[in-house]
Amino acid sequence: DVKVTQSSRYLVKRTGEKVFLECVQDMDHENMFWYRQDPGLGLRLIYFSYDVKMKEKGDIPEGYSVSREKKERFSLILESASTNQTSMYLCASSPGLRYEQYFGPGTRLTVT
Amino acid sequence: GQSLEQPSEVTAVEGAIVQINCTYQTSGFYGLSWYQQHDGGAPTFLSYNALDGLEETGRFSSFLSRSDSYGYLLLQELQMKDSASYFCAVRDTGTDSWGKLQFGAGTQVVVTP
Repeated sequence: DVKVTQSSRYLVKRTGEKVFLECVQDMDHENMFWYRQDPGLGLRLIYFSYDVKMKEKGDIPEGYSVSREKKERFSLILESASTNQTSMYLCASSPGLRYEQYFGPGTRLTVT
Repeated sequence: GQSLEQPSEVTAVEGAIVQINCTYQTSGFYGLSWYQQHDGGAPTFLSYNALDGLEETGRFSSFLSRSDSYGYLLLQELQMKDSASYFCAVRDTGTDSWGKLQFGAGTQVVVTP
């Protein structure tokens, strides 16, 4: 079974802190994605990566950056956390251009 | 622009049939997917339609009409464990999207005894 793990299930940070969210997949997938999920808005793509050191902006990249130094790991960085970044963050991976994405359990981030 | 519309909530009793509709507007189209997400859980893949017609997988079926930019997910013989949110997602092939998924806002399905 494909496994996507995220570093924390719950995280509380203060405004202005730098926040790192880590995601690891164990199936050698080329593509990895970061989404945020808010009630009534569904899943919105923040960034994605189709190869090591490659990244593309999604629909809402402002205030975020990403890093992919190894194929299995994709990190989301909040450079200076703000209260409007309080959300559920979901990581996903997929093999090549196949349609099925595998999601991690999510990190619920609260910024106070 | 890109948009997907689906109902926000559907309620039905155990054993019933529920249809969740999804209409989409995208600059390009490659296929329609459906995902299920239980409260507190991760989204999990249910089905994918690239061509017109009905795809059946057990109690769940998914339909696509490319000419109408419309699809639906059909849940039959509803069980309590089917209470969850269901998301449609379009794989867009527009020039700036590379084939990423665009998700709808989700439909909360509530199954009652």
